[in-house]
Amino acid sequence: AQSVTQLGSHVSVSEGALVLLRCNYSSSVPPYLFWYVQYPNQGLQLLLKYTTGATLVKGINGFEAEFKKSETSFHLTKPSAHMSDAAEYFCAVSGRSGNKLTFGGGTRVLVKP
Amino acid sequence: DAGITQSPRYKITETGRQVTLMCHQTWSHSYMFWYRQDLGHGLRLIYYSAAADITDKGEVPDGYVVSRSKTENFPLTLESATRSQTSVYFCASSETHYEQYFGPGTRLTVT
Repeated sequence: AQSVTQLGSHVSVSEGALVLLRCNYSSSVPPYLFWYVQYPNQGLQLLLKYTTGATLVKGINGFEAEFKKSETSFHLTKPSAHMSDAAEYFCAVSGRSGNKLTFGGGTRVLVKP
Repeated sequence: DAGITQSPRYKITETGRQVTLMCHQTWSHSYMFWYRQDLGHGLRLIYYSAAADITDKGEVPDGYVVSRSKTENFPLTLESATRSQTSVYFCASSETHYEQYFGPGTRLTVT
């Protein structure tokens, strides 16, 4: 069975500072990996995904994530936080044989002016 | 409008009542999913469907029923609502192994 762990349910960053959200997964085979963002009272929106190929993946809104197989990690970063980045972020994993996603518990990001 | 919609957006019901949450997508995606979102649990899969008339259980199916007679619709029914089913429910659709597209959610309160 797959599982996803997001370290830190809440992260507070200053505007302009680095955003780093941690995600570790367990899977018996290399999975597909995703980061989703949820703004208040909205559904989830895909930020970026890793399927195959380059391990550094760039997404929307300046976010990127790096797949590290040896560390079973897929951490999300953004060099400079903006007030509009305040949201909840979910890491998810999908096995290569199906479409089902397993989500982490989510990390809520607060951006301080 | 194209996309994935859910109705109602907000629902209050009483314990023991039957309630149905609707999900409609206009992309003709093969796969559809129902999740519930609760504090501290992230999103958990309730049921999913690979095509019309094909459904399967997810992680937390107890107390829920689904059907999929048409590709574009995937209703979720709580046969006898309980307070533990108070949650935000999200429907999603997908065509590939890649991203799922989520609806705006239904906030359900069971009193």
